[in-house]
Amino acid sequence: EAQVTQNPRYLITVTGKKLTVTCSQNMNHEYMSWYRQDPGLGLRQIYYSMNVEVTDKGDVPEGYKVSRKEKRNFPLILESPSPNQTSLYFCASIGDLNTEAFFGQGTRLTVV
Amino acid sequence: QKEVEQDPGPLSVPEGAIVSLNCTYSNSAFQYFMWYRQYSRKGPELLMYTYSSGNKEDGRFTAQVDKSSKYISLFIRDSQPSDSATYLCAITYGQNFVFGPGTRLSVLP
Repeated sequence: EAQVTQNPRYLITVTGKKLTVTCSQNMNHEYMSWYRQDPGLGLRQIYYSMNVEVTDKGDVPEGYKVSRKEKRNFPLILESPSPNQTSLYFCASIGDLNTEAFFGQGTRLTVV
Repeated sequence: QKEVEQDPGPLSVPEGAIVSLNCTYSNSAFQYFMWYRQYSRKGPELLMYTYSSGNKEDGRFTAQVDKSSKYISLFIRDSQPSDSATYLCAITYGQNFVFGPGTRLSVLP
C-alpha cells in the first residue's frame, strides 16, 4: 500500500528544545515536501527535496531545517522551536507524473 | 494577490443538495488542476485532477476548468454527510504544488 508515514502525530514541546519530525515514503518517489497548515492560510510549503542530497527552501523556511540522506526519508528539524511554529505539519511525496501529492497523516505541534 | 484564492466557507448544505466549490488563480503557467479532500485529523487526499479546460466527471463529482478566466470549480451532486470535509484546490507547475486555503463543507442529514 502506498504510504507516507509521519511521526509523531502529536507533540507538545517547550520553546528552544530541538525536535525532529520524521517522514518516510514507500513509493520510491524522488520529490518530497514539507508543509504547514494554519487556519485561513492553507498549506504553505516549508522545504522540498527533488532527490537525495538535494533540498531547497519553500515559501516559509525560517526556523526549519531538513535533510535527505536517503530517498525514502525526509525529516523536518526545528533547532529552536518558537510558539509561532505551533501548527499542523504535513509531509508529502509526489509521483513522477506530478499529478498527485501523497500526504502523511499530519503532526500537530504545540510549542509553549 | 495570492496565487490561488478560494472562499474558506464554512459552507453548510442539506443532504442531497448540489454543491459548488470554486477557486481562482493568477499564474497562466499552471499545468494541472486538482481537488483534494481533507477529513478532520487526516492528510489531504486527491479527489480529481485535470489539465485541460472543460469538464471531467467521476461519479457524483465534476471538476470544471476555465483557463481563459483562470477559474476552477468542483461540483458535488446528491451530496452526502460523508462528503463533509475541507476541499482544497491545488494547481501545479512542474512539481510545485500551490494550494488554496480550503473550503470547509458540512452536509447536514
